[in-house]
Amino acid sequence: DAGVIQSPRHEVTEMGQEVTLRCKPISGHNSLFWYRQTMMRGLELLIYFNNNVPIDDSGMPEDRFSAKMPNASFSTLKIQPSEPRDSAVYFCASTFGDSSYSNQPQHFGDGTRLSIL
Amino acid sequence: QKEVEQNSGPLSVPEGAIASLNCTYSDRGSQSFFWYRQYSGKSPELIMSIYSNGDKEDGRFTAQLNKASQYVSLLIRDSQPSDSATYLCAVNIFHGGSEKLVFGKGMKLTVNP
Repeated sequence: DAGVIQSPRHEVTEMGQEVTLRCKPISGHNSLFWYRQTMMRGLELLIYFNNNVPIDDSGMPEDRFSAKMPNASFSTLKIQPSEPRDSAVYFCASTFGDSSYSNQPQHFGDGTRLSIL
Repeated sequence: QKEVEQNSGPLSVPEGAIASLNCTYSDRGSQSFFWYRQYSGKSPELIMSIYSNGDKEDGRFTAQLNKASQYVSLLIRDSQPSDSATYLCAVNIFHGGSEKLVFGKGMKLTVNP
């Protein structure tokens, strides 16, 4: 079975540029999560979707960050404009649940290592 | 108090020993508890989940949950060098009407041959 697929695996760009990260959840999963991981702050939840609807975006750091889920098999996380402090590993995860949050384990993609110069 | 806390570590044990990893959480209403393992440069992978008080065993791994004391632990018996990784505790936390999974910062475990 295909797991959660993220692209790109690595992204290096200059400050001020727009960055778009992509995620394809596991087929049949209806909850999708975006996380950011840094040494200082650990793994932080940015936003999660249930049935393509954003449920909690309280973790999104500021207006420069936006996320969409146009259909059940695709989501994007966009940073515009990007800043050096956005450098981190961004993970997408998915699971299945019948409510806005599931107690089922989350399955993670391989992540996108983002470096903003 | 942080929502999910793990000892900062790192933890180093000899091969064959028992490794004990601990985690405390702040929300008494939490119902779901997970342990993830993350190898360097890789994504977190689930190794254990536990939902009720007591012990849950899976091979060399045992998760222990004590809701009254608000802690969850992971024991790794007969530790192997391949167990060397960072272990993340995750707890569902209720936040302003919704709930989300909150991760601890992780404990780095090294098993020495």
